[in-house]
Amino acid sequence: DAKTTQPNSMESNEEEPVHLPCNHSTISGTDYIHWYRQLPSQGPEYVIHGLTSNVNNRMASLAIAEDRKSSTLILHRATLRDAAVYYCIPPIIQGAQKLVFGQGTRLTINP
Amino acid sequence: NAGVTQTPKFQVLKTGQSMTLQCAQDMNHEYMSWYRQDPGMGLRLIHYSVGAGITDQGEVPNGYNVSRSTTEDFPLRLLSAAPSQTSVYFCASSEDRRSNQPQHFGDGTRLSIL
Repeated sequence: DAKTTQPNSMESNEEEPVHLPCNHSTISGTDYIHWYRQLPSQGPEYVIHGLTSNVNNRMASLAIAEDRKSSTLILHRATLRDAAVYYCIPPIIQGAQKLVFGQGTRLTINP
Repeated sequence: NAGVTQTPKFQVLKTGQSMTLQCAQDMNHEYMSWYRQDPGMGLRLIHYSVGAGITDQGEVPNGYNVSRSTTEDFPLRLLSAAPSQTSVYFCASSEDRRSNQPQHFGDGTRLSIL
């Protein structure tokens, strides 16, 4: 199973960009990288996913390194609502799509 | 579009009682799963289903039963509640189990076993 490494916490200011890194050096060539976030007292929320090329959606951008050993989630203009724990996850497919949630990165947004 | 709906939101049980946590989705998703999240920890997979009539065990299945009689519903049954089952339970669904499918989570059921 692919292992991921993320910083325990990060801090940013409102309306500034935020770059959340993830190292997944053991990922296989066919593993997608998913990002989820969990706001306080809520269920996890899907943010974005990608395989090889950079991806954009209304919530964020995902930059994937050419060697696929790392990726960066980019929030272009952070808001207070973006304060959450962010998880970088390569889903495990063994009969099921199993999401292994590690400790993630706790993002604090300062007003 | 309600997404994934879990009921109840909160429940307190006594040791030995049984109960069913309800999960329903209105997106016609094939794949559904149950996770539990203990304080300060990540989510762990309990059971999953790849379609109506098909279920299988996840990482921590002991003490729980599931069934999938319809595409929409995936209830989780606690057979004889134990304090170790105090947790927050999340239900999730996705179109199918392929790794490029995002999962949609409910808001959770907070369960306390006394």
